[in-house]
Amino acid sequence: LAKTTQPISMDSYEGQEVNITCSHNNIATNDYITWYQQFPSQGPRFIIQGYKTKVTNEVASLFIPADRKSSTLSLPRVSLSDTAVYYCLVGVRSGAGSYQLTFGKGTKLSVIP
Amino acid sequence: NAGVTQTPKFQVLKTGQSMTLQCAQDMNHEYMSWYRQDPGMGLRLIHYSVGAGITDQGEVPNGYNVSRSTTEDFPLRLLSAAPSQTSVYFCASSGVGNYGYTFGSGTRLTVV
Repeated sequence: LAKTTQPISMDSYEGQEVNITCSHNNIATNDYITWYQQFPSQGPRFIIQGYKTKVTNEVASLFIPADRKSSTLSLPRVSLSDTAVYYCLVGVRSGAGSYQLTFGKGTKLSVIP
Repeated sequence: NAGVTQTPKFQVLKTGQSMTLQCAQDMNHEYMSWYRQDPGMGLRLIHYSVGAGITDQGEVPNGYNVSRSTTEDFPLRLLSAAPSQTSVYFCASSGVGNYGYTFGSGTRLTVV
């Protein structure tokens, strides 16, 4: 299973752009990179997913360089409600064709007023 | 509302008791998984299923059984509860080609 490394915690002021970088040196050719957000006492929530280059949705952007050994989640103009733990995952295809998700400890983002 | 429903939300068990955590989804998703999350930790995969009648072990399967008799349901059975199984359990589902999983709200289990 591909291992991911991301900062344990980050602080940001409201209104700033936040970039969280994840390293995944052993990513395989078929792997996708997915980011989840988790608030206390809730299950993780899917944010964004990508394979290469750049993906953008209404919530965030995901930047993946050509070598795919890292990725960066970008949250524009964060608010207090963005305070959460953010997980970077690399999807691994099992023999049956499913994707097992391996969660690390995530990055705890604290947004400061 | 469409999504993943877990019951119960809270449960206290005595050591040695057995119980089943229920998980149901109404999105016709093929893939379903069970995770546990301990304080300060990420989620660890217990068991997963790629369709009705097919299950497989994840990272921490010992002490847990699963079955998938229908597409909608994926119950998790604790055979003989131990204090080490005190945790928050999350069920998740995903459809073919949709690599984003939808998670339930969790079951907080305490074994005393």
